[in-house]
Formats: sequence, C-alpha cells, structure tokens
Amino acid sequence: SQTIHQWPATLVQPVGSPLSLECTVEGTSNPNLYWYRQAAGRGLQLLFYSVGIGQISSEVPQNLSASRPQDRQFILSSKKLLLSDSGFYLCACLFSGTGRTGELFFGEGSRLTVL
Amino acid sequence: AQSVTQLGSHVSVSEGALVLLRCNYSSSVPPYLFWYVQYPNQGLQLLLKYTSAATLVKGINGFEAEFKKSETSFHLTKPSAHMSDAAEYFCAVRFTGGFKTIFGAGTRLFVKA
Repeated sequence: SQTIHQWPATLVQPVGSPLSLECTVEGTSNPNLYWYRQAAGRGLQLLFYSVGIGQISSEVPQNLSASRPQDRQFILSSKKLLLSDSGFYLCACLFSGTGRTGELFFGEGSRLTVL
Repeated sequence: AQSVTQLGSHVSVSEGALVLLRCNYSSSVPPYLFWYVQYPNQGLQLLLKYTSAATLVKGINGFEAEFKKSETSFHLTKPSAHMSDAAEYFCAVRFTGGFKTIFGAGTRLFVKA
C-alpha cells in the first residue's frame, strides 16, 4: 500500500538555527511531491513541488528551500529559521498514474515552533 | 487570477442539522475540485472529488457536493450533522493543465449537542 512518512512530528527550534524536515513515500514510484505550510488559523500555502528527482518548483520566495535527492524522498530545509517559519508543515503526494484528476495524499505533518 | 474561496471561517450547527460549507472558484475553465477534512494535528483526508463526470458527487461519511458551473461553486453538504464531523474542511482546486493544488482558507465546523 502507499504511505507517506514525515519526521520529525514535532520540533522546537531557536531563531537562527537550521531546519531539516523529511518526507518519504512508500508503495509508488515517480510521484509528484509537495510541501505545504499551514499557519495557525490559516489555510494551506503551497511552498514547493517536485515532479521528479532534482526538479523543484518554488511557489513563494522565502527563507526555505527544498530538495529531492531520491525519487521518493522530499526534504524541506532552512539555513536560519525565522519566527515566521513556525507552522504545521505537510508533505503531500500525487501518486503516479492518477493524472491531473488524482487527489493528494498527505503525511501526518510536522509541527515547527520557532522561539 | 485563478483562486478558490471558502465563505465562512467558522460554521456552527446542532447535531442532526444540515451541514452546508460553501466553496467558490475563479476560473474560466472548470477545474478539478476536491473537499478534504482535517482533524486536529493530523494531515488532510479526501472527502470527495469532482472530475467532470457527475455533477453531484458523493463522498465518505455521508457528505456530498454539487458542482454548479453557472455559479462557479462546489458546496459541501451533509443532511444530518454528527458530533464526529467537527473538524476543519478545505476546498481545493487543480486547474486544468497543471499539477498544483490550491486550497481555500478552510472552514472549521463546530457541532453542538
């Protein structure tokens, strides 16, 4: 079966520290992968998406970056965190073969608090 | 610009009452439309989707939504609310020709006993 793993689930980091959130997908190959951020009381903001290894599209200029070193691995990073980076980060996957009508599947999320 | 709007950030209903959550999209071409539900501290789960087949779409947990092209709407309904329906609901669109899914701001549903 197809599953999405995110870690860590919870993270508390000081301002200026680095960040690495990881997302891995099982049970599929060549998926489209997405990072969303959900700030308190707000909707989901698309941050990055990737249609293949090494292919990253950035939606919002910001303090974050993404990488896809392997087909089923998607990493969200920052060199220096800001207070405004706090939020709930969700990795999502559009499984291959579902086409443009397919729905996204989501991981359980990573909650980041920057102090 | 292409967008999706959910009317009402909070909706409160009594248990057993009708649930109506509103969603409108802005596009000259009908997009693919989705409703997701999110329980606290969890990821999103698909309720239902419209992909240009039947305009009335039935989903899980008794929810359904009707696509109305003339109104550019895709409102979510459930005839009788249950306490377990309390959650946040997101309308989402994927415009033809792309792989990006854009989400509305969400509507938090409260169910009163």
